[in-house]
Amino acid sequence: NAGVTQTPKFQVLKTGQSMTLQCAQDMNHNSMYWYRQDPGMGLRLIYYSASEGTTDKGEVPNGYNVSRLNKREFSLRLESAAPSQTSVYFCASLGTGQGSNQPQHFGDGTRLSIL
Amino acid sequence: AQSVTQPDIHITVSEGASLELRCNYSYGATPYLFWYVQSPGQGLQLLLKYFSGDTLVQGIKGFEAEFKRSQSSFNLRKPSVHWSDAAEYFCAVVPSGGSYIPTFGRGTSLIVHP
Repeated sequence: NAGVTQTPKFQVLKTGQSMTLQCAQDMNHNSMYWYRQDPGMGLRLIYYSASEGTTDKGEVPNGYNVSRLNKREFSLRLESAAPSQTSVYFCASLGTGQGSNQPQHFGDGTRLSIL
Repeated sequence: AQSVTQPDIHITVSEGASLELRCNYSYGATPYLFWYVQSPGQGLQLLLKYFSGDTLVQGIKGFEAEFKRSQSSFNLRKPSVHWSDAAEYFCAVVPSGGSYIPTFGRGTSLIVHP
């Protein structure tokens, strides 16, 4: 099925390790997003990419970097993982970007634990 | 800055009972409004959306929502809940113009008793 694919689905890291979360969409969408979900906090935006070649900070960008590799792929990197980054990470994409009235499409998430 | 409030963290209903999940937003103009559902271990799935026009919108799985401008609310309803409706529900708001940066509520967890 077409959609948003996230890898890996689960990961356990030690404090200080680095890791890249991968996200790919096959819907030819312009915009892509990374969120983190913590209990009772809803979804908080980490970074987004309105179009290929652009990235912008969201609400909680500290400790993360992103790369919009091409139109399909948007990766999230933790350079030095901290226990506070234990969370579920969701990638989302959007068809027409700015001014759009369409909903986002979400991946199934990456569950990341940092010890 | 816009904000979204889902005042109920948990709601428990019996199977077959009616349901209403509340969502209030704070924004200068009428935004685009969405309800999403998240089943355990899954991503978010769109239930319904409101952009303009008829203030009562129908969604998937028998859900509907009513936009009330005077109350800045977009409450989700279902006349008869099924056990499979147990999930987390999120309300989201997007400015109707400019950058597409959604604001999500903190979610309401629905528990369904048999």
